[in-house]
Amino acid sequence: ETGVTQSPTHLIKTRGQQVTLRCSSQSGHNTVSWYQQALGQGPQFIFQYYREEENGRGNFPPRFSGLQFPNYSSELNVNALELDDSALYLCASSRTGWTEAFFGQGTRLTVV
Amino acid sequence: RKEVEQDPGPFNVPEGATVAFNCTYSNSASQSFFWYRQDCRKEPKLLMSVYSSGNEDGRFTAQLNRASQYISLLIRDSKLSDSATYLCVVNLYSGGGADGLTFGKGTHLIIQP
Repeated sequence: ETGVTQSPTHLIKTRGQQVTLRCSSQSGHNTVSWYQQALGQGPQFIFQYYREEENGRGNFPPRFSGLQFPNYSSELNVNALELDDSALYLCASSRTGWTEAFFGQGTRLTVV
Repeated sequence: RKEVEQDPGPFNVPEGATVAFNCTYSNSASQSFFWYRQDCRKEPKLLMSVYSSGNEDGRFTAQLNRASQYISLLIRDSKLSDSATYLCVVNLYSGGGADGLTFGKGTHLIIQP
């Protein structure tokens, strides 16, 4: 077990709705990253938070947003859901931005 | 050109055999390198970090060649439990901000009894 936990594990939403996914990082880790993994693909970097601020972002539109809290837990929010947003969303925590990252079990989002 | 390229396989290998995976990356400024293992419908799990000097962890050996921008993973005496997708991962981390981990699509390994 990595100590990184995500909730919920599965979610079904309707196109156009909004969703919030949650992540608790491993003890001692102050950096949290979020990834989207479509079927048959490797995870794609969405963004990273360090000390409650976004300090890096991948090629995702602004309707993907996030937060990090003082206890280093994090949220990923997606507005105006599209069918292509259906994927496994993974949260990873690490001690710094370049050291080993440990993943939670993921949230499987289905948009219908 | 894809940032991290791997042969998707599948590699079908008999139990006990040795198998090697390769991976190439496009950005020479990449800072950190890893191999992750992912089982079907599960999260990626860190297998090992990869260093220029090469590193070994039991049956697993990883090697990095910065000049050729090439990473390898060798699995000796393969077990049925080694069946999984192996993800080659690169971290750019320019220092001015995070670029996250860049994953290859993965190499699917099937160990046959």
